[in-house]
Amino acid sequence: DTGVSQDPRHKITKRGQNVTFRCDPISEHNRLYWYRQTLGQGPEFLTYFQNEAQLEKSRLLSDRFSAERPKGSFSTLEIQRTEQGDSAMYLCASSSDSISYNEQFFGPGTRLTVL
Amino acid sequence: AQSVTQPDIHITVSEGASLELRCNYSYGATPYLFWYVQSPGQGLQLLLKYFSGDTLVQGIKGFEAEFKRSQSSFNLRKPSVHWSDAAEYFCAVGNSGYSTLTFGKGTMLLVSP
Repeated sequence: DTGVSQDPRHKITKRGQNVTFRCDPISEHNRLYWYRQTLGQGPEFLTYFQNEAQLEKSRLLSDRFSAERPKGSFSTLEIQRTEQGDSAMYLCASSSDSISYNEQFFGPGTRLTVL
Repeated sequence: AQSVTQPDIHITVSEGASLELRCNYSYGATPYLFWYVQSPGQGLQLLLKYFSGDTLVQGIKGFEAEFKRSQSSFNLRKPSVHWSDAAEYFCAVGNSGYSTLTFGKGTMLLVSP
């Protein structure tokens, strides 16, 4: 079990550019979640997948945001036309619903800075 | 809608002293409750969780938490704090182990010598 990994760990971009983040969950986990954490706040839910299906999206996920999990393994989160307000830590987590009392395991996060 | 309140933004504790971090939740059904810790620039590490059963749960690193339904609280405790415990602590609630989580705003723990 190598844990949840995220790439890149840090991203600096200029306003208006597109960025894409990747998350690799724990291999046997079928659920994958994206959260956003801004300074001084707790993580806020963005979206989650069960296998390759995107089952829930938060109202925080504007139409500039898109997430995919094409083969039910890794996931990508793309932000188009970035804005300074998108600057945050983007956290990925994974879990399994085959175990009743399982919890979410978090990756180290991708810190996005929009200049 | 579910919510979590962590009333203390910052807490400073002397090394070796006891610690209690407060967490109150609002949830319509039986909650699944979690405490996570986050070191600077890092992701979240699970300290402990409550799903059912014994209301006093033990976690890693010597932490424990007590679920009190009547007070809608899930406070985190440690009898003797170590300098390495300095970090930010988040309480979270969900409706299962694998549901989406609602987090509090966190409590930053500072440990003084």
